Amino acid sequence: DGGITQSPKYLFRKEGQNVTLSCEQNLNHDAMYWYRQDPGQGLRLIYYSQIVNDFQKGDIAEGYSVSREKKESFPLTVTSAQKNPTAFYLCASSIATGGNQPQHFGDGTRLSIL
Amino acid sequence: AQTVTQSQPEMSVQEAETVTLSCTYDTSESDYYLFWYKQPPSRQMILVIRQEAYKQQNATENRFSVNFQKAAKSFSLKISDSQLGDAAMYFCAYDFGNEKLTFGTGTRLTIIP
Repeated sequence: DGGITQSPKYLFRKEGQNVTLSCEQNLNHDAMYWYRQDPGQGLRLIYYSQIVNDFQKGDIAEGYSVSREKKESFPLTVTSAQKNPTAFYLCASSIATGGNQPQHFGDGTRLSIL
Repeated sequence: AQTVTQSQPEMSVQEAETVTLSCTYDTSESDYYLFWYKQPPSRQMILVIRQEAYKQQNATENRFSVNFQKAAKSFSLKISDSQLGDAAMYFCAYDFGNEKLTFGTGTRLTIIP
């Protein structure tokens, strides 16, 4: 079955440490997205990519970095510069960007600080 | 800035009854897309229904329908014949054509058996 796989499901970060969240899709979608979800808030866009080797900052990109070397993969690195990384992170993909192409989501990764 | 407002943090409904979740938005755009997503306890976001702003007819997907009032900038979700599996967080979202979704803060729906 086609879908989006995020790993790990749970992740713990020590102070000053960078961690990388994995997102893989086999839907042959061009566009991929990373969102952050905090309690009592909706999803906020961190980064998105319309095509391989290209990505743009979203609303809350500070302290995060991404790469898009392959169509299927869009890993998110939470750097030590992100002072409040504890949150639920969701990856999504769509055939292309634009509202006529709905986004499909993975199961998420919960990141916590040790 | 464009915003999405869900004014009901929590709602509850008796099983088999009908419930309506509210959503309003602020935009100067004339063409855009509207979505309702469901997030069950598993935390996966599931697309429930989509509305294209240029279409006057309200979207319907089985027991789920929307009441889209463009002039009032209102986009409510009606769930008919509520089932226990409908219990979830529901998020209203917009794509203004700028390549990203803007989400509301969500409504937690509880189904009472």
